[in-house]
Amino acid sequence: DTGVSQDPRHKITKRGQNVTFRCDPISEHNRLYWYRQTLGQGPEFLTYFQNEAQLEKSRLLSDRFSAERPKGSFSTLEIQRTEQGDSAMYLCASSSTIGQGLNTEAFFGQGTRLTVV
Amino acid sequence: KNEVEQSPQNLTAQEGEFITINCSYSVGISALHWLQQHPGGGIVSLFMLSSGKKKHGRLIATINIQEKHSSLHITASHPRDSAVYICAVLSDSGGSQGNLIFGKGTKLSVKP
Repeated sequence: DTGVSQDPRHKITKRGQNVTFRCDPISEHNRLYWYRQTLGQGPEFLTYFQNEAQLEKSRLLSDRFSAERPKGSFSTLEIQRTEQGDSAMYLCASSSTIGQGLNTEAFFGQGTRLTVV
Repeated sequence: KNEVEQSPQNLTAQEGEFITINCSYSVGISALHWLQQHPGGGIVSLFMLSSGKKKHGRLIATINIQEKHSSLHITASHPRDSAVYICAVLSDSGGSQGNLIFGKGTKLSVKP
């Protein structure tokens, strides 16, 4: 297992188009997080899954954003009708809960850089 | 007020200097992460801690749960340490339980 992988690494799209990103977490990790990061800012939480259940969504996640993790393994993040303000780095991270719900370290993917033109 | 505050926002040091980056948080947490992000976006986890102190090479992380404060120290800093250092807490309270909440990061530049 080579860690968390994200695909694609870069995406340029025209305003109004739909885009989908994929994240493959570390295989034994049951938690998967999506974050968005704009230049000069720390990552902002979007949503996270425990197994296939989406446990929390940020207010930042408008109805144009949807995320799935159908089999509790890889996850997809779709943005519909993209806007220029969606341009950002989209980061995925995974971790594992063990024992009494304690979390192991979070491991991050390289991110998908989205540019909406 | 952000739930996770880091200071300083920017830090320039000379090679060899001892560096401290601070993180304060206002929520209940089950763990705190220190992360390193290089230009290009890749994030690497340096430490995850919930009490006390951890050391790895020239890096030391401490946390004081009562004071809701953590520090990351770099001894004998080197230009290759130049990066953004991010503090992230794993919330254990209310609607944010299980969520990683990030600080805005500290941009460190170490000059030779």
